[in-house]
Amino acid sequence: KAGVTQTPRYLIKTRGQQVTLSCSPISGHRSVSWYQQTPGQGLQFLFEYFSETQRNKGNFPGRFSGRQFSNSRSEMNVSTLELGDSALYLCASSYRGYNEQFFGPGTRLTVL
Amino acid sequence: KQEVTQIPAALSVPEGENLVLNCSFTDSAIYNLQWFRQDPGKGLTSLLLIQSSQREQTSGRLNASLDKSSGRSTLYIAASQPGDSATYLCAVSYSGAGSYQLTFGKGTKLSVIP
Repeated sequence: KAGVTQTPRYLIKTRGQQVTLSCSPISGHRSVSWYQQTPGQGLQFLFEYFSETQRNKGNFPGRFSGRQFSNSRSEMNVSTLELGDSALYLCASSYRGYNEQFFGPGTRLTVL
Repeated sequence: KQEVTQIPAALSVPEGENLVLNCSFTDSAIYNLQWFRQDPGKGLTSLLLIQSSQREQTSGRLNASLDKSSGRSTLYIAASQPGDSATYLCAVSYSGAGSYQLTFGKGTKLSVIP
């Protein structure tokens, strides 16, 4: 069965721009979570979606937003990019959220 | 606020040695605990999931234990191989606002020397 896929794998943007990242969960999984990984802060929770509803959001500014579609695919958007947004963005899927989490390969975002 | 600590931050062992990685968490009200490995620049690979009602899980050369009351988990790797070299991350899942987010430790970077 196919794993979690994320596109694009790499992105280079400049400060002030906006970016959209995409995540396709494992077939049948309805929960999608997003995490930011940086060398200094490690892995931090951004938000979780279940059946097109955001169930929880981490401690990130409003520039970070997301959504989930009826086929469980999810997108996250970062507006007005800052240098500190450079990170590996990871998406995880699970059947209902409390089950085993499976991660995608990540999107490496570099902000210049 | 849940905090997860992993000790040591880095570990170097000769091939064939058995080793233990440690994980501790501050709030015992967890739903489950998951161990992952991460290779440089890659995503996370799930190794083992332990439900809060379980004491241990085994998969091949890996064995993970959970002591929820003391807030500790260990990952035991038997007969280590160079291919085991990676960063190992521990994460606890807890229910907050109807969602099950993971809180991660900073990881243990393991190097297995041939």
